[in-house]
Amino acid sequence: KAGVTQTPRYLIKTRGQQVTLSCSPISGHRSVSWYQQTPGQGLQFLFEYFSETQRNKGNFPGRFSGRQFSNSRSEMNVSTLELGDSALYLCASSFRRTNTGELFFGEGSRLTVL
Amino acid sequence: AQTVTQSQPEMSVQEAETVTLSCTYDTSENNYYLFWYKQPPSRQMILVIRQEAYKQQNATENRFSVNFQKAAKSFSLKISDSQLGDTAMYFCAFMKLDMSGGGADGLTFGKGTHLIIQP
Repeated sequence: KAGVTQTPRYLIKTRGQQVTLSCSPISGHRSVSWYQQTPGQGLQFLFEYFSETQRNKGNFPGRFSGRQFSNSRSEMNVSTLELGDSALYLCASSFRRTNTGELFFGEGSRLTVL
Repeated sequence: AQTVTQSQPEMSVQEAETVTLSCTYDTSENNYYLFWYKQPPSRQMILVIRQEAYKQQNATENRFSVNFQKAAKSFSLKISDSQLGDTAMYFCAFMKLDMSGGGADGLTFGKGTHLIIQP
């Protein structure tokens, strides 16, 4: 069974640009969550999607957005990039909503903002 | 808001030894889950062990076990017979449950403990 797939794995952008990251969950999983990992702030919850609806949202500005498609694949978008957005963005999927706790993580997308 | 504190940024032990990683948390919630996740150098986070707050019995998974002290808000991870493959960042995490039983606010992670197993 294929794991969680995130693309691209690495990308470099400049300030002011926007970026879209993609996440394909494990087949059959309907919940997708996104996390930002930085050396300073650690791992922080961005948002969760379940059945194409955003169910939970972390404390991030509106520049961070996401969506989920009918096949459960998810994208997150960051507009007007800032230097502080440089991070590893992790996607996690689960069969049910994340109350089960067993999240399966992808390897992440490493974003560098110059 | 919840907070999770891991007071040991880095630990190093010899192979086959037993090691305990500390985690404390602060919450006013009564219904929640606690987790330990492992992030090896390849970066893929893996669930190590999970504990439901309402369960008094400590969770165990093979060489991994927890000491869950709800009143003290403590959730330590013990790794027995440590192996080289246990070398990784270990994150303690908290998830509260909402009224419908769904996970609310996602996982709250600690800063992590870098565990190094020496040969």
